[in-house]
Amino acid sequence: NAGVTQTPKFQVLKTGQSMTLQCAQDMNHEYMSWYRQDPGMGLRLIHYSVGAGITDQGEVPNGYNVSRSTTEDFPLRLLSAAPSQTSVYFCASSYTTGGGDTQYFGPGTRLTVL
Amino acid sequence: AQTVTQSQPEMSVQEAETVTLSCTYDTSESDYYLFWYKQPPSRQMILVIRQEAYKQQNATENRFSVNFQKAAKSFSLKISDSQLGDAAMYFCAYGNSGYALNFGKGTSLLVTP
Repeated sequence: NAGVTQTPKFQVLKTGQSMTLQCAQDMNHEYMSWYRQDPGMGLRLIHYSVGAGITDQGEVPNGYNVSRSTTEDFPLRLLSAAPSQTSVYFCASSYTTGGGDTQYFGPGTRLTVL
Repeated sequence: AQTVTQSQPEMSVQEAETVTLSCTYDTSESDYYLFWYKQPPSRQMILVIRQEAYKQQNATENRFSVNFQKAAKSFSLKISDSQLGDAAMYFCAYGNSGYALNFGKGTSLLVTP
């Protein structure tokens, strides 16, 4: 199993550009989530999904869009990048039952918006 | 909303010694899970240990153990026989939804030879 994979690992954008961060998991997890990590702030939840076709907002959703058309994939879209979105982004997945809320994380994407 | 507080931004320990990282949390739930994750410079989030709130017995994983005090809402991590490879950022996290965790701000652990 590859676990949770994310692409790209690094990205530089200009203000106003759009892009999609890719996330995929091969563990057949129903739950998937996106977090951002800023210095001194820990990880904060952006959006999450409890199954294909079902998404919802987390703590810091503004400026981001998600969709979940398959169980495996959960892309995060930046609609119009802003310098405040410079951060490290993590995708995570978890079991619906029996997993005790354990989240499995991808390697992260470091995004810089100029 | 549940909050997780790590009051030690930085800690230092000598190799082979023991160090304890502190974490407190706030919740009105009775069933939940608590975690410690390690983040080395590679930035990969690595699960260190997990505690179920309904279990009174403290979780242990090799050199890592926790002191879980449910009434005090305290969840500290003890690292015994510290090794250079233990140097990392450590995050305490709370979960009861299945799809997301609430994280503390982290404690940076330095291990000196």
